[in-house]
Amino acid sequence: QQQVKQSPQSLIVQKGGISIINCAYENTAFDYFPWYQQFPGKGPALLIAIRPDVSEKKEGRFTISFNKSAKQFSLHIMDSQPGDSATYFCAASRPTDKLIFGTGTRLQVFP
Amino acid sequence: KAGVTQTPRYLIKTRGQQVTLSCSPISGHRSVSWYQQTPGQGLQFLFEYFSETQRNKGNFPGRFSGRQFSNSRSEMNVSTLELGDSALYLCASSGDSSTDTQYFGPGTRLTVL
Repeated sequence: QQQVKQSPQSLIVQKGGISIINCAYENTAFDYFPWYQQFPGKGPALLIAIRPDVSEKKEGRFTISFNKSAKQFSLHIMDSQPGDSATYFCAASRPTDKLIFGTGTRLQVFP
Repeated sequence: KAGVTQTPRYLIKTRGQQVTLSCSPISGHRSVSWYQQTPGQGLQFLFEYFSETQRNKGNFPGRFSGRQFSNSRSEMNVSTLELGDSALYLCASSGDSSTDTQYFGPGTRLTVL
């Protein structure tokens, strides 16, 4: 119930392509779904977040798609760039509760 | 504003020893959360402190403890270190709630020999 399942574990995309990372959850009490980006040697940094009252949120090249009935959400990175190469984590939480993180996706974007 | 700072950045200890890690949150932030990051288990929540009180706790043994001071700075302590405690320990601060945007520090890399 508390898990967030993330896939794929690793992803290789060519520059200019679309990167898609998926997450699924079980706990319907979750109401906050952030995505974090982590570069080697750094702590994770918030990329974009969504709440279940909307089905999509876009910030620049990054889009979260949220499917409440399927209990799934995904991160789409449009026009992927080598600088996007990093590890991406989805997460979820209930109100005032801790963040539960997915296992991470290592994205490599090749020129 | 200065970001979240963690000290030390790297630490090497031997089994059985204890260790204290420090975290200074972003100025004005009152919530501090601690996470353990390992290649096998990913990011796992240890505990959260808010206004000097532990507000949430993860599923870690009692060897892992923490505290928060009146200036919101936080420390975590691990006693009787085990090889499996080798990990990157991350601290994150947020305004009032752990569900507000969490800003992570660079982490402390702990190696237990």
